[in-house]
Amino acid sequence: GQNIDQPTEMTATEGAIVQINCTYQTSGFNGLFWYQQHAGEAPTFLSYNVLDGLEEKGRFSSFLSRSKGYSYLLLKELQMKDSASYLCALNDYKLSFGAGTTVTVRA
Amino acid sequence: GAVVSQHPSWVICKSGTSVKIECRSLDFQATTMFWYRQFPKQSLMLMATSNEGSKATYEQGVEKDKFLINHASLTLSTLTVTSAHPEDSSFYICSARVTGRQETQYFGPGTRLLVL
Repeated sequence: GQNIDQPTEMTATEGAIVQINCTYQTSGFNGLFWYQQHAGEAPTFLSYNVLDGLEEKGRFSSFLSRSKGYSYLLLKELQMKDSASYLCALNDYKLSFGAGTTVTVRA
Repeated sequence: GAVVSQHPSWVICKSGTSVKIECRSLDFQATTMFWYRQFPKQSLMLMATSNEGSKATYEQGVEKDKFLINHASLTLSTLTVTSAHPEDSSFYICSARVTGRQETQYFGPGTRLLVL
């Protein structure tokens, strides 16, 4: 399998920065997705990394290192609405999801 | 971004009945759609890959005769849960694959199924 690992939970304060790590054990994939999922809703697309390096989109950035089998999602200037589950997924035509990281933002 | 719709958004049915869930790509054509199932506090599990004009490809452990998939057009895929039982109660989500300048998958809003 691809053994996609993410921390189960993270808590941070409003306005802070949080980094969600995702490690995996496969080399053959097209790219890595990050999705945000609020409770009871479907996932929404955040980012897609194909090449190594950092992709920045406003308050959210995602990083990929294929040689290290590692990606992270960086959330800056946290807002209460960022409280959600964050899923990393490997794209090998089909998506394989990690278990997700539940982020709780506190005032 | 691209929009994917699902209908119905929720359904309650009696054990033994069949339920059909529709997944539509509203402003683009999707050759490939995927069906996922998500149980509470768990991640998405891929059930099957739906290709327009051909048979669906099911993941290991998913009964093809129980979960019937039809992808008859480039904008519509349907999932029918046949003879539903309480253990089939779950959140069913479809996604549509978009290729081109940047590949991605857009998810529908999901269908919550409760089988009594």
